[in-house]
Amino acid sequence: AQTVTQSQPEMSVQEAETVTLSCTYDTSESDYYLFWYKQPPSRQMILVIRQEAYKQQNATENRFSVNFQKAAKSFSLKISDSQLGDAAMYFCAYRSPRGETSGSRLTFGEGTQLTVNP
Amino acid sequence: DAGVTQSPTHLIKTRGQQVTLRCSPKSGHDTVSWYQQALGQGPQFIFQYYEEEERQRGNFPDRFSGHQFPNYSSELNVNALLLGDSALYLCASSRVALRTDTQYFGPGTRLTVL
Repeated sequence: AQTVTQSQPEMSVQEAETVTLSCTYDTSESDYYLFWYKQPPSRQMILVIRQEAYKQQNATENRFSVNFQKAAKSFSLKISDSQLGDAAMYFCAYRSPRGETSGSRLTFGEGTQLTVNP
Repeated sequence: DAGVTQSPTHLIKTRGQQVTLRCSPKSGHDTVSWYQQALGQGPQFIFQYYEEEERQRGNFPDRFSGHQFPNYSSELNVNALLLGDSALYLCASSRVALRTDTQYFGPGTRLTVL
């Protein structure tokens, strides 16, 4: 079974600065997908960024980028120019490729609570 | 374009009762997944429905059951409620035809069992 580990329960950053959230995972599969989701106090889970394991290029979405190290099974999220609205719980998630009849569950880490200081 | 919707928003039940939670997927999506999120933890996968069948199931007892309707909406049923069932229940939808099959989440239903 796949596992996802987020070793930083809490992180803080000054507004306009850069912060990196860590995530490691364990899998024997070669093709899979990785995601970062954001959960603000409203508890709505919002997709931040996704990465396909077969792509060597790191995904980027505006101020959010990832550092995907497949051999090390590491998938960190970098937030540049942090804004107050970035304060939230961030979850790293893993998904296996979808089979013809099998499902595509997400396996989540424990989360990292990000605080942005003005 | 409506996103994933869930009802009700909040629910209070007592031990031993039964509850039904509902989810309507994002337009164009055909797959619905359910997750349970206890306070301070990451979501745990309950099960996933596609083509009105349960395709995958997490480590949850048979008290948790579901259904998917022809219009792709879904219900989660929990029987014989326990105090430990108190949690946020998240529904996520996706589209099987898309390789990335990204799941988009609804706002959740907060269930409190007294």
